[in-house]
Amino acid sequence: EAQVTQNPRYLITVTGKKLTVTCSQNMNHEYMSWYRQDPGLGLRQIYYSMNVEVTDKGDVPEGYKVSRKEKRNFPLILESPSPNQTSLYFCASSLYASGGYNEQFFGPGTRLTVL
Amino acid sequence: AQKVTQAQTEISVVEKEDVTLDCVYETRDTTYYLFWYKQPPSGELVFLIRRNSFDEQNEISGRYSWNFQKSTSSFNFTITASQVVDSAVYFCALLNSGNTPLVFGKGTRLSVIA
Repeated sequence: EAQVTQNPRYLITVTGKKLTVTCSQNMNHEYMSWYRQDPGLGLRQIYYSMNVEVTDKGDVPEGYKVSRKEKRNFPLILESPSPNQTSLYFCASSLYASGGYNEQFFGPGTRLTVL
Repeated sequence: AQKVTQAQTEISVVEKEDVTLDCVYETRDTTYYLFWYKQPPSGELVFLIRRNSFDEQNEISGRYSWNFQKSTSSFNFTITASQVVDSAVYFCALLNSGNTPLVFGKGTRLSVIA
């Protein structure tokens, strides 16, 4: 089954404790992206990757890191989480970088709480 | 700059009523793509439709229909004969051509009451 998976689905952590949210897709997609969803703000892009070893900042990259060492995986790293990073996070992928022709497939979401 | 405005924060209707969700976008590009996504209470994002800027034909899919009007920069979504299962947050999104992020509106929460 074609899908985007994220782990963990739920995470409660404390300020400053490094964490990684994994994202994996099995569709051989080139383009992958991370979003955060906050009440009243909709979804905002954090980082995106157009292909292996190619990553770039989205609208709200501060406090986050990503890597794209393999095509299928695009982990989101919070080196020192803070309470303002409490949010619902979505990973997405699409076939090509120019996403207009391609539907973006979204993962199920990761709900992160930073105390 | 690109921007999507969903002016309706919350809408509540009684089952079987028709409801229209508004979406107004801003972009300087002549080539762009518009999307609607549904987010049910379970939280996942479900793709509903993609429309490119060169195709102004309205689309109907079952009880769902979309009205794309470039003259008013709008891409409105209508649900006919709404059902309780339509209760969700609906997002409109805009993607310009080239290497730009997908920009979402803030969403409209639709509640359909039995």
